[in-house]
Amino acid sequence: AQSVTQLGSHVSVSEGALVLLRCNYSSSVPPYLFWYVQYPNQGLQLLLKYTSAATLVKGINGFEAEFKKSETSFHLTKPSAHMSDAAEYFCAVSETGGFKTIFGAGTRLFVKA
Amino acid sequence: NAGVTQTPKFQVLKTGQSMTLQCAQDMNHNSMYWYRQDPGMGLRLIYYSASEGTTDKGEVPNGYNVSRLNKREFSLRLESAAPSQTSVYFCASSEAVGTRTGELFFGEGSRLTVL
Repeated sequence: AQSVTQLGSHVSVSEGALVLLRCNYSSSVPPYLFWYVQYPNQGLQLLLKYTSAATLVKGINGFEAEFKKSETSFHLTKPSAHMSDAAEYFCAVSETGGFKTIFGAGTRLFVKA
Repeated sequence: NAGVTQTPKFQVLKTGQSMTLQCAQDMNHNSMYWYRQDPGMGLRLIYYSASEGTTDKGEVPNGYNVSRLNKREFSLRLESAAPSQTSVYFCASSEAVGTRTGELFFGEGSRLTVL
């Protein structure tokens, strides 16, 4: 069975600092990997996704993630945090041949002025 | 473009009462899903419908039933609500590209409290 682990339920950074949110997955086949963002009282929206075309994936709002097969990781980064980045972020993996997306527990990002 | 619309947004039930959460999408997507979100647990799949006319159980189906009414609509029913079903419920849809799940498009959520 596929699974996703997000390291750190809360991450706090200063405005302008690097954002690094960690995600590790388990899968017996090449997966589809996703990062979603959830702003308060809203649904989730896609930040970026990995579909095997390129290991470095660029998303919206300046975020990017790198797929590292050897480390089974898909960490999310942004060079310079903005106050508007404060939200909850979810890493997710998609199962081959199925219609189920498995989500990590989420990481809440706080941005300090 | 409305995307995925869920109703109601808020609901308070007493233990044992029943209710139905409605979901509709206007993106002509084949696949639809119901998730629940609980603090520290991420989103867990309750039921999904790969295509019109089919439904399947997800990770946490107990206490729920679903109906794929047509291609646009997918409802979730709680027959006898329990306090453990207090949660935020999200409906989502996707095109289901090939045999893999594509990007999910989410509604804004329905916050349910069971007393």
